[in-house]
Amino acid sequence: QQQVKQSPQSLIVQKGGISIINCAYENTAFDYFPWYQQFPGKGPALLIAIRPDVSEKKEGRFTISFNKSAKQFSLHIMDSQPGDSATYFCAASAPQTGANNLFFGTGTRLTVIP
Amino acid sequence: DAGITQSPRHKVTETGTPVTLRCHQTENHRYMYWYRQDPGHGLRLIHYSYGVKDTDKGEVSDGYSVSRSKTEDFLLTLESATSSQTSVYFCAITRASTLGDEQFFGPGTRLTVL
Repeated sequence: QQQVKQSPQSLIVQKGGISIINCAYENTAFDYFPWYQQFPGKGPALLIAIRPDVSEKKEGRFTISFNKSAKQFSLHIMDSQPGDSATYFCAASAPQTGANNLFFGTGTRLTVIP
Repeated sequence: DAGITQSPRHKVTETGTPVTLRCHQTENHRYMYWYRQDPGHGLRLIHYSYGVKDTDKGEVSDGYSVSRSKTEDFLLTLESATSSQTSVYFCAITRASTLGDEQFFGPGTRLTVL
């Protein structure tokens, strides 16, 4: 079964708007939550990541919000741009020494309309 | 791009034939991974390696084998390809960062099994 559930499957946002993608998990051993951005024909690229000791992390226009009690985390893209149009994946892992076996969500295809 | 190359980038093969995909890295990373990406499933871990000759199974390892005889190369073999193994295959490495170990992906190999 899917260890990380992601929604929505697709999202259309106007330029300048806020894009919000949500993920939920059950395994309380997860302690690392990255987001990846993928353009067609390319490999996923690490966008931003968070550990559960903080509730929010911001890098430029991208923010992760983390709710440990609800076992949910979300990606917010502020001032969305057409260049942000891509597929976004959340993921989670419970790292062992040096390893980082990621469990991915099913992806959200974001389209930002000019 | 974390110094990862994958070969071939595209391959079409027939059911029942053996196929080997290669992942090559230039930065001497200890951990390497093979994922497959399918619509509706996100990325799923097939096998990973934590050193030369040290490998372990992931979530979807049936029908796949791996080998790592050199630090820089991680091979994925489909002994007898089936149509269900049509997918995009990504190799990844783990690199240390301020958040701990983070995964970076190669450009992918698109495999079609007819």
